[in-house]
Amino acid sequence: QKEVEQDPGPLSVPEGAIVSLNCTYSNSAFQYFMWYRQYSRKGPELLMYTYSSGNKEDGRFTAQVDKSSKYISLFIRDSQPSDSATYLCASTDTGANSKLTFGKGITLSVRP
Amino acid sequence: EAQVTQNPRYLITVTGKKLTVTCSQNMNHEYMSWYRQDPGLGLRQIYYSMNVEVTDKGDVPEGYKVSRKEKRNFPLILESPSPNQTSLYFCASSRRAQISYEQYFGPGTRLTVT
Repeated sequence: QKEVEQDPGPLSVPEGAIVSLNCTYSNSAFQYFMWYRQYSRKGPELLMYTYSSGNKEDGRFTAQVDKSSKYISLFIRDSQPSDSATYLCASTDTGANSKLTFGKGITLSVRP
Repeated sequence: EAQVTQNPRYLITVTGKKLTVTCSQNMNHEYMSWYRQDPGLGLRQIYYSMNVEVTDKGDVPEGYKVSRKEKRNFPLILESPSPNQTSLYFCASSRRAQISYEQYFGPGTRLTVT
C-alpha cells in the first residue's frame, strides 16, 4: 500500500463550483500535510500546509486534516478556470530528512 | 527573485552517454532534493542533501549520482543513462531539512533517453 493515496481523476467541474480533493495516508508518523499545485510544464508550487489535525483557510482554499481517519482534504470555493491544474497532496514526519511522500496527483479542469 | 533554476529544461540523449542536470537556488537554503515524476507513479525522491558535502539516497537512487560542493548548487549526474530514466526531473530546496514541507521546486527537466 502506497503511503499516500490520491484518486487520480481527472476531475472536471463548471466555474463557480465547490471542489473537494481528497487523499488518505497510512503512516501514523506523518505530522505535516501539504497541498501542491502544478500547472502544465511547471514545477509544483506549495499552496498550503497543515500541521497535525485541523483546518487551514487561505482565500478560496481550505485544507483539512483528520488524523483519526488519516484523511486529507482540499476544498476550493468559487472555482475559477485559473484553478485548472494538477493538485498533489503530500505528507511528512518531523524526522531529520523530513522526506515528502506525495500522492499521484489529480488533474482538475474548471470549465468556463 | 527567489527561485530554483534547472538546466537544461529539455534533453534528448542516447543510452550510455553521461549527462549532468544542474540545479541552483538563490535562497541560501540548506536542504536540496531531486525528484522524478512519472505517470501513474507520482513524484519520487532520488537523492537529497541536508547541507554542503552531506548527501543521501532517497527512494529511487539507482543509476544516479549527486554532489553538493557549494550550498547553492546540487547537480544530478547520470553516468550511463538508460531508457528507464526517461522522466520529468525536479530539483527542490527548503531552508532546512526540518521544514521540508516548505519546499520550492524548479521548473523541471524533461529527459528522454533513446
